[in-house]
Amino acid sequence: NAGVTQTPKFQVLKTGQSMTLQCAQDMNHEYMSWYRQDPGMGLRLIHYSVGAGITDQGEVPNGYNVSRSTTEDFPLRLLSAAPSQTSVYFCASSYSGGLGEKLFFGSGTQLSVL
Amino acid sequence: DAKTTQPNSMESNEEEPVHLPCNHSTISGTDYIHWYRQLPSQGPEYVIHGLTSNVNNRMASLAIAEDRKSSTLILHRATLRDAAVYYCILRDGNQFYFGTGTSLTVIP
Repeated sequence: NAGVTQTPKFQVLKTGQSMTLQCAQDMNHEYMSWYRQDPGMGLRLIHYSVGAGITDQGEVPNGYNVSRSTTEDFPLRLLSAAPSQTSVYFCASSYSGGLGEKLFFGSGTQLSVL
Repeated sequence: DAKTTQPNSMESNEEEPVHLPCNHSTISGTDYIHWYRQLPSQGPEYVIHGLTSNVNNRMASLAIAEDRKSSTLILHRATLRDAAVYYCILRDGNQFYFGTGTSLTVIP
């Protein structure tokens, strides 16, 4: 199993550009989520999904959109990138989102917005 | 305000036990306490979690205070591979709330 795969690993955008960060998992997990990590801070939840067709907001959802059309994929879209969105982004999944389950994280996407 | 509070950094000698503390004074009755660790340039990795009782697994032990307002991650014998940032996290339903983490340095 590849686990949780994030692409790209690095990305540089200009202010106002749009892009999609990709996240795919091959573990048949129902729960998937996106986090951002800023220097000196812990991870903060952006959006999450408990199954195909179901998404919800986390702590810091503004400026980001998500959709979940398949169990495997959970892309994160930046519609108009801003310098404040410069961060490292992590995707994570778990089997069903149960409270006792552990999260599996991808290796991250480092995004710079100029 | 952060839901968890951890020391910024700690040091330990190799082969000695390490106790990493976490305060979570606003924890609710249904919040699970999770610990993850993060190596440089990697995503966080699960370590252990619990609700009320102390927990053990092959990686570590988790000691939870009786009032649940604090917990301690215990690494029984620190190795150089344990050098990482350790995050204490509260899970409330589908949301995980990370603290700022403790950077553990292991001295050979």
